[in-house]
Amino acid sequence: EAGVAQSPRYKIIEKRQSVAFWCNPISGHATLYWYQQILGQGPKLLIQFQNNGVVDDSQLPKDRFSAERLKGVDSTLKIQPAKLEDSAVYLCASSFQTGGLGTQYFGPGTRLLVL
Amino acid sequence: DQQVKQNSPSLSVQEGRISILNCDYTNSMFDYFLWYKKYPAEGPTFLISISSIKDKNEDGRFTVFLNKSAKHLSLHIVPSQPGDSAVYFCAASWASGTYKYIFGTGTRLKVLA
Repeated sequence: EAGVAQSPRYKIIEKRQSVAFWCNPISGHATLYWYQQILGQGPKLLIQFQNNGVVDDSQLPKDRFSAERLKGVDSTLKIQPAKLEDSAVYLCASSFQTGGLGTQYFGPGTRLLVL
Repeated sequence: DQQVKQNSPSLSVQEGRISILNCDYTNSMFDYFLWYKKYPAEGPTFLISISSIKDKNEDGRFTVFLNKSAKHLSLHIVPSQPGDSAVYFCAASWASGTYKYIFGTGTRLKVLA
C-alpha cells in the first residue's frame, strides 16, 4: 500500500512570496489533515478535511493560508504572502475513518524556509 | 497554552534496558491518547494508542500506561533497541464533534549499543 505522498520535500522562498504544497493521501482515506511543525514543537493541526469538506480550520491563519481538497482526494495548502515565522515542516496525514478517530498516516513533510 | 506536555526533551538508555517516556496533559476532556515515533526526514508513524476507559495497553515491546487522576501517560519500551532511537510524540484527542489531536513537543530517545 502506497503511503501519503507530499511534494516538494524542500522549499526556500523569500518573505512575501507565495508557496504551495501538495498532498496525495492513501487511497480510500476519507479524512485528510495538514499540520505545521515548527522546530522544537509538536505538530499543530491547521486544517482537517472529511472527503472534500472542511471540518476544522480553527487554527488556520486564514489571512494568508488557504487549503482545498478537490474531489475528496488530493489537497493543496497555500501560503500567500509568506512570513518568516512560517518556516516549518508542513505535514500531511490521512485517516481511513471518518470523524477523525483512527490512526493517522503521515507523509514525509515539506520543509519550508522563509528568508 | 500547552495542553499536552513532554517535559523531557531527551533521554538516553542502554540497549536492553527499559525506556520510559512521559507525557502530561491538562484537559480532562481528553479521552484518547496516542504515541507516534518520528525518524529524521520522515513523517511520524503511529506506535500505540489507549482509550480513557483503559489504564494499560500493550503491543509487543511497547506498553502505554494511563493514569487519569494524575493526567499522566507513559510509554515503556522493553527491551530497548538501537532502532528505537527516534523522537517520540504523545498526542491526545477528544470527541468535540470531530476528533482533534493535540501533540506534545516530543522526546528524543537515544538507545546506546
